[in-house]
Formats: sequence, C-alpha cells, structure tokens
Amino acid sequence: DSGVTQTPKHLITATGQRVTLRCSPRSGDLSVYWYQQSLDQGLQFLIQYYNGEERAKGNILERFSAQQFPDLHSELNLSSLELGDSALYFCASSPRMTGELFFGEGSRLTVL
Amino acid sequence: ELKVEQNPLFLSMQEGKNYTIYCNYSTTSDRLYWYRQDPGKSLESLFVLLSNGAVKQEGRLMASLDTKARLSTLHITAAVHDLSATYFCAVAVSAGNMLTFGGGTRLMVKP
Repeated sequence: DSGVTQTPKHLITATGQRVTLRCSPRSGDLSVYWYQQSLDQGLQFLIQYYNGEERAKGNILERFSAQQFPDLHSELNLSSLELGDSALYFCASSPRMTGELFFGEGSRLTVL
Repeated sequence: ELKVEQNPLFLSMQEGKNYTIYCNYSTTSDRLYWYRQDPGKSLESLFVLLSNGAVKQEGRLMASLDTKARLSTLHITAAVHDLSATYFCAVAVSAGNMLTFGGGTRLMVKP
C-alpha cells in the first residue's frame, strides 16, 4: 500500500458524460501527478500540481481539467467523454517537486 | 522531446534463467526509476537510480544506470514465477519531476 488513495476504483459511463476522479496523496506529500494508462498510448503524463499550483502539463486534453485543493487532495475532471478515454487513470504523489513518485491503485474508467 | 525505449517488449523465460531488460532514453537526465506492475494493479517502485554508475540490487533484480550512454539495465538472475509482471523504466525530466515512461516489458517466467 503506497498510501495514495484513489476513488472510485471502477467507473462505467456513457459517451458525452462527465466524471470526476479523486486522489488523496500520501500524508505530507505536496506534489500530485495524474497519469493515463491505455493499451495503445501506454503511460502518459497528464498534469502535475504542487501545493495547490499547477506545475507541469503533459498530454492532457482540453476536455480534461484538474485541481489540487488546500487539503492537498486532487480531482481530475473528464468531460464530453469519448470511447477513447477508456483507460486506467493513476494518481501519484511525492514529497517535493523532485523525488520518487508513489502511485495509487488507479481508477478504471470505461466509456460505453 | 524525451523518448524512452525499452526492449524487449515481451520476454518469456524459463525459471532459473538470467536475462536483461534494456532502457534507452534520448535526452540528459540524472534520475531513472524502475517500476513493476501486475495486471490491472498499481505501479510498485523497485529502484531509484540517481547518478552515473549507480547500481542497486534487491533479491533477484539488479538495476544499473549509465548516464553517458543514456542506458539503464534491469538484470534478472535465476528467474522465478513470482517475477512475472510488466516492468517499466521511467526517466525524470531534469527541470521537473514528471516521469516519461518506457513502453514496458512484459515478463513471463515459465516453470
């Protein structure tokens, strides 16, 4: 158990819908990262937050957005969902801007 | 753009055999990580390699880093079935901490 908590673990929804994935980092970790894992794209970095501020952006679609709250938990919002958004979404945290990343169990999103 | 390539992508081996997984990356970085992932599960950190020449060992796995060659290796000694999983290397971009992952090596160890 890495100490990173993600909810929900599984989510099934329809195209065009909107979902929110939640992540609680390890106690004391200030940095949160979101990754998408799919069969065709592999593990792709989406976005990083550090102490509430966005620090880096990767291959994140405009339909996706994220934020980190004052209590350091983070949410990833996915809207206008398409079939291709079906994937495993991981959250990771680290104590600082640099250093080892600890991954949560992931949220498996299925878009039908 | 940083590219990370692993090979082989798939490896089937017999128990008791040795093998090496290779990870090449395209730009300068001084931090490389190896992760293990079981099917449908999270990524488990195996090794953190922070400097040229770094070598770390845990059980039957040994990882090394050559920053000049931009190459890391994960060596498996006397493989056992429990090592069956997908192994990823990941490289940190120097100016930040987001990791770029290789495509993964799916390892199957057969009795």
